[in-house]
Amino acid sequence: EAGVVQSPRYKIIEKKQPVAFWCNPISGHNTLYWYRQNLGQGPELLIRYENEEAVDDSQLPKDRFSAERLKGVDSTLKIQPAELGDSAVYLCASSLVGGKYTFGSGTRLTVV
Amino acid sequence: DQQVKQNSPSLSVQEGRISILNCDYTNSMFDYFLWYKKYPAEGPTFLISISSIKDKNEDGRFTVFLNKSAKHLSLHIVPSQPGDSAVYFCAARQGGSNYKLTFGKGTLLTVNP
Repeated sequence: EAGVVQSPRYKIIEKKQPVAFWCNPISGHNTLYWYRQNLGQGPELLIRYENEEAVDDSQLPKDRFSAERLKGVDSTLKIQPAELGDSAVYLCASSLVGGKYTFGSGTRLTVV
Repeated sequence: DQQVKQNSPSLSVQEGRISILNCDYTNSMFDYFLWYKKYPAEGPTFLISISSIKDKNEDGRFTVFLNKSAKHLSLHIVPSQPGDSAVYFCAARQGGSNYKLTFGKGTLLTVNP
């Protein structure tokens, strides 16, 4: 079974530029999460989807971050414009409802 | 306010000995706890979990203990192997339909041959 696939693995951009991350969850997993992990910290939830619906986006900085999950499968997370403090690893995870998470390998973003 | 705390940033043990990783939490609404293991450049992978109705769960070399009154859990690895060297995250989930996980900062375990 293929795991959660994320791309790109690494991204370096200049501040004020836009950036987008893509996630393909495990087939059949209706719940999808985006987490952000800052250096030396544990992952923190940004947004959770149940199918196409964002059911918890309370931690998503909505002034510059946006996310979508079209057709309840793949998801994209966008930052526009990026700031230096956005440098982190962005992790996508999926699960069945209430089930254990499977994480992707993450996208390491560096904003310079 | 950190609701899940892993106060030891790192731990070093000899191969074959026991590794004990500790985790404390403050939110009494947490009812399910998990440990994740993370290698560099990979995402966290699930290791073991425990429900708040239990005080121990064992899976091979890995055992998790939960002390609800102290709001404390620990992960025991016996015997430790060099391949266990990784960052270990403690995570907790609130009861009900909120499936959000709250993570600690992690503990880097190094198992020396």
